[in-house]
This record gives sequence, C-alpha cells and structure tokens, in this order.
Amino acid sequence: NAGVTQTPKFQVLKTGQSMTLQCAQDMNHNSMYWYRQDPGMGLRLIYYSASEGTTDKGEVPNGYNVSRLNKREFSLRLESAAPSQTSVYFCAGGTSWNEQFFGPGTRLTVL
Amino acid sequence: AQSVTQLDSQVPVFEEAPVELRCNYSSSVSVYLFWYVQYPNQGLQLLLKYLSGSTLVKGINGFEAEFNKSQTSFHLRKPSVHISDTAEYFCAVSARNDYKLSFGAGTTVTVRA
Repeated sequence: NAGVTQTPKFQVLKTGQSMTLQCAQDMNHNSMYWYRQDPGMGLRLIYYSASEGTTDKGEVPNGYNVSRLNKREFSLRLESAAPSQTSVYFCAGGTSWNEQFFGPGTRLTVL
Repeated sequence: AQSVTQLDSQVPVFEEAPVELRCNYSSSVSVYLFWYVQYPNQGLQLLLKYLSGSTLVKGINGFEAEFNKSQTSFHLRKPSVHISDTAEYFCAVSARNDYKLSFGAGTTVTVRA
C-alpha cells in the first residue's frame, strides 16, 4: 500500500499562474483533507471532504478550490497563484475517529 | 470550536535525557487527542492517540502521553531520547462529532550528543 501520495513534490509558479495539486489514497478513507504548513503556524486546514461527493471550507480557503473526484482522489487547485500561497501543502486521509494519515507534501513557491 | 496551545516552541535536550512536551487544549465537548511527529522534509506521522479509556497512552518509539481532563492537557513524554528523535512535534485535537483536526503550532526538539 502506498498510503497517501501527492504530486508534484516541488513546484515553482509565477504570480497569476494556475496549477492543480493531486492527492490519492489507497486506505479506503471516507474523509480527505488539504492543509498548508507555514513556519510557526502549524498546519492550517484549507478544505476537506467528509465523504465522496461533499467538500467544505476549512480555516483558510480563500484562493483555493477542491474537487473530490472519487473516493480515492482529492485535488487542490490554485486558480491565480499569489506569493502568499508559497507554502508546503499536505493532503491527508482520515478515519471515523479522525486519525489522519498524511502524504509527503508538495513544496510550492510563487514568485 | 477546539484549539490547541503547545507551550514550548523549542526544546533542546541532551541524548539519553528525558523530555516532556506540553500541550493544552480548549473544547466545550469531548475530544480525541493526537501527537504527530514530523522529521525534516517529510509528512506527519502519528505517534499516539487518545480516544477513550486509560488516560496513559503509549505510542511508537518509546513515547507516551497522559490525558488530564481537569487540566485539559495532553503532555508527551519520553524517558530517554536519541539523536534520531530530533524533529518537530505537533499536538492535535478533534471534537468527537467533527471531521476536523486543530493543530498546535509545533515544538521543535533538538537532541544533542
């Protein structure tokens, strides 16, 4: 089992460009999550999907959109990247008691 | 809503010494509690969790934590650390009827020989 996989691992964008971060899990989790991690701020929830077909905003959703493509896949899209979105992005899958399993992360730099 | 405060941002410790990382949480409902570890340039890995039952929880790599409901704390301990324990540690809380985790800001542990 690969667990939670994320692509790409690294990305550099120019301000205004768009991109989609991909996430897939093979752990049969109903819930999936996107976080961003910035120094000294822990992990902040961007969006989550409690089950296939549903998505909800987290703490910092502005500038992002998500798609729960099926039970396995949950993508995060930046429509018009800004330097403030420079961060490390983590995807996670979760159990019914909220134990979450994290991917290796995507390091994004917006110039 | 739930929130987590990790009381120490950085903890330097010598190899084979004990370490304690402090975590306090705030919640008006019953919670689940977690500690995660993040090694450099990696994702987060679960160390241990408290769901119910015994308030002393044992996890991987010799770590343990104690849930104290009256003090709303979930401190993490290890009696003897190794160089390989150098990492960032995150405390997290979730309401039992919620899908979301709230994370603390993290504690960086640096183990020196």
